[in-house]
Amino acid sequence: GDSVTQMEGPVTLSEEAFLTINCTYTATGYPSLFWYVQYPGEGLQLLLKATKADDKGSNKGFEATYRKETTSFHLEKGSVQVSDSAVYFCAPNSPHSNFGNEKLTFGTGTRLTIIP
Amino acid sequence: KAGVTQTPRYLIKTRGQQVTLSCSPISGHRSVSWYQQTPGQGLQFLFEYFSETQRNKGNFPGRFSGRQFSNSRSEMNVSTLELGDSALYLCASSLDRSNTEAFFGQGTRLTVV
Repeated sequence: GDSVTQMEGPVTLSEEAFLTINCTYTATGYPSLFWYVQYPGEGLQLLLKATKADDKGSNKGFEATYRKETTSFHLEKGSVQVSDSAVYFCAPNSPHSNFGNEKLTFGTGTRLTIIP
Repeated sequence: KAGVTQTPRYLIKTRGQQVTLSCSPISGHRSVSWYQQTPGQGLQFLFEYFSETQRNKGNFPGRFSGRQFSNSRSEMNVSTLELGDSALYLCASSLDRSNTEAFFGQGTRLTVV
């Protein structure tokens, strides 16, 4: 089945540091790739997405590039802020072979804490 | 436009009881999916509904069930609650079943004692 391997957390960085959260996946076919963010006490929000190979998704200073050859979708930000403290989830949206539909498969999540 | 609404936000039940959670998707969205989030297992897919039919199901026991109404609102039910069912239950809605963005509600925090 499909799976996602995400960088183990928690990750603690100082404000303005560079951030990388690694994500690799196995999936049937060519999924779309998503990063979701979960702030304390809230549900998940879409952070960015990429729908085909070499696409770069970006939002709020975060970026991730769809690398088909390495099946990766690493999340990066050049200068993190305290407000970026949250849990980040990598999620391929993969075709489901049995029913012909699609569903999100989530990584375990990476808790990020930014200290001033 | 209102977001995905889940009710109730918090719930405490005792072992053996049953519980029903509700999810109202974004207006016009027809696909609703449910996920269970726990510290140990992370986010796990429960099921997906579209046009009042269950289209996809995760690896959960039959105690977990759901349904979708003609207005796309969805409910999930857990019978014979166990301590391990304590979790945050998240609902996500999508416009349709193709490869589109999923919008999540804030979740229902279920505690089984």
